[in-house]
Amino acid sequence: EPEVTQTPSHQVTQMGQEVILRCVPISNHLYFYWYRQILGQKVEFLVSFYNNEISEKSEIFDDQFSVERPDGSNFTLKIRSTKLEDSAMYFCASSEVAFGGETQYFGPGTRLLVL
Amino acid sequence: AQSVAQPEDQVNVAEGNPLTVKCTYSVSGNPYLFWYVQYPNRGLQVLLKYITGDNLVKGSYGFEAEFNKSQTSFHLKKPSALVSDSALYFCAVSPLNNAGNMLTFGGGTRLMVKP
Repeated sequence: EPEVTQTPSHQVTQMGQEVILRCVPISNHLYFYWYRQILGQKVEFLVSFYNNEISEKSEIFDDQFSVERPDGSNFTLKIRSTKLEDSAMYFCASSEVAFGGETQYFGPGTRLLVL
Repeated sequence: AQSVAQPEDQVNVAEGNPLTVKCTYSVSGNPYLFWYVQYPNRGLQVLLKYITGDNLVKGSYGFEAEFNKSQTSFHLKKPSALVSDSALYFCAVSPLNNAGNMLTFGGGTRLMVKP
């Protein structure tokens, strides 16, 4: 069964450094998402992406964050200058279409630790 | 704004006994509702979803959930728990008119099934 994959599984970085989290969505999916989960807190929506544009973003997704689909398979989340509070598990997801009832398929996550 | 509440951080049940994991939601209009499960070191996997129609939804691994509009609830149930059901369970909602397909998650409930 096709799966969403994410790399790296763990990333440790220093405060102020840039990080890029990578995701390979399911191949025939057209809609891509990033969510994050701070330890002990809820899974929170960050951004959705379709046709090389952001469809929707939350207030968490400020100017420090950006997303890109650099080629036909990868979908990336960049954090420009990491802060301690960016430490979290980051999940990528994808779906075939984007009507509200469509299932989103999640990757295993990247655990980011900012020191 | 929509929200999801899972009132129990943990549910303990003996193998073979029925289990219920509770979820209530708040959303404008009709919702799309999901249950996701997370096993250690794995991504979120969808168990079942409610879009429309029959209020009782059947999903993977023998799980089912009942949509109750008057009580704004979507409790997850299974008639006979297995030790392998032990995992973290998340309820999520997507509003009917959500063009970006943003999911809002509850805080999660850890299910522990003891032999």
